[in-house]
Amino acid sequence: DVKVTQSSRYLVKRTGEKVFLECVQDMDHENMFWYRQDPGLGLRLIYFSYDVKMKEKGDIPEGYSVSREKKERFSLILESASTNQTSMYLCASSLRQLLDSPLHFGNGTRLTVT
Amino acid sequence: AQSVSQHNHHVILSEAASLELGCNYSYGGTVNLFWYVQYPGQHLQLLLKYFSGDPLVKGIKGFEAEFIKSKFSFNLRKPSVQWSDTAEYFCAVGHTGGFKTIFGAGTRLFVKA
Repeated sequence: DVKVTQSSRYLVKRTGEKVFLECVQDMDHENMFWYRQDPGLGLRLIYFSYDVKMKEKGDIPEGYSVSREKKERFSLILESASTNQTSMYLCASSLRQLLDSPLHFGNGTRLTVT
Repeated sequence: AQSVSQHNHHVILSEAASLELGCNYSYGGTVNLFWYVQYPGQHLQLLLKYFSGDPLVKGIKGFEAEFIKSKFSFNLRKPSVQWSDTAEYFCAVGHTGGFKTIFGAGTRLFVKA
């Protein structure tokens, strides 16, 4: 079974701090994604990557960056955290999204920025 | 712009009642359709998916969904809900040829025992 592991379940940071959210998947999936989940808004795509060192902006990339140095690891970076980035962050991976592969999600990281 | 609309944000049902959650999407091309479920305290997981063929698809735990292309809809149904179906349900659409999956706002279902 696919396992997507996010390094932290809960995180509290101060405004202006640089924040790293880490995600690792163990099934050799090519595609990895970062979403944020907010009540009433569903999931919104921040960034995704379809290969090592490749990244593409999603729908809400402002204030975020990503890094994918190894196939199994996809990091989300908040360069200077702000209170409006308080949210649940979900990492996901998929084998071949072009055809029939669904997303496999991690448990999420609930980030609070004070 | 592509979008996914879920008709109800909150639904409360008694056990054994029938369930139908509406989902409409706006995209004219070939799409892949999903329903995901998030049980309390758990990660999002796939409930069912449609890519081609029979527009009536069956998923886990007795759920099914029907794709009606002319209505751009993919409604989720279950004939008789259980207390354990209490969860948040998300409709999602991915278009063939792209990497992005777009999610609806979600529907919180509460089933009274």
